[in-house]
Amino acid sequence: SSELTQDPAVSVALGQTVRITCQGDSLRSYYASWFQQKPGQAPVLVFYGMNNRPSGIPDRFSGSNSGNTASLTVTGAQAEDEADYYCHSRASSGDHYVFGTGTKVTVL
Amino acid sequence: EVQLVESGGGLIQPGGSLRLSCAASEFTVRNNYMSWVRQAPGKGLQWVAFIYSGGATYYADSVKGRFTISRDFSMNTVFLQMNSLRADDTAVYFCAGPIEDSPPTFGALGYWGQGTLVTVSS
Repeated sequence: SSELTQDPAVSVALGQTVRITCQGDSLRSYYASWFQQKPGQAPVLVFYGMNNRPSGIPDRFSGSNSGNTASLTVTGAQAEDEADYYCHSRASSGDHYVFGTGTKVTVL
Repeated sequence: EVQLVESGGGLIQPGGSLRLSCAASEFTVRNNYMSWVRQAPGKGLQWVAFIYSGGATYYADSVKGRFTISRDFSMNTVFLQMNSLRADDTAVYFCAGPIEDSPPTFGALGYWGQGTLVTVSS
């Protein structure tokens, strides 16, 4: 299967930690990249590869991988982290890419 | 500063064609792979097409045979030719390119355009 499955929505109290997960067979072969998208804006890459965070992305964003699951953790969530988050990976077939179903993060 | 600027979207009747453009600045299309990604109103991101720096192309099953990704090095521009458009192709279309020094297997799309809206309706 080339699908990546995410929980539709999660909430986190301000300053607390939230983990967003992404499951799919392709993650056994390929790393996930993670995107944050706010309403009306283009997605922003927040984490990729084994342990890479783009310049300008706060270090409260981190990622991990295990088996068929990739995770994005936000440690000490801020109000500005409220957004939709998508994982993205090459498909197992190698000739497609796929986005996860998306997770809406609400900061309470 | 890297900029990707899409254009060419608009209202088109079912069965019609459109060509989207993605003009890059401070980013060399020749040296990078590029993707097109779309987002239907109120929906999630969907990968559409991909072109390697070497020219190989790949497409989502939903657009294969109808859409063609290409590029013009002299214009430093990537295109998406869309034929036989259907109502379910209605979406904002983004072009995206990789962050520096990341292989295609990472899918690390660090640069995105602002998107162009394609509406397929009679």
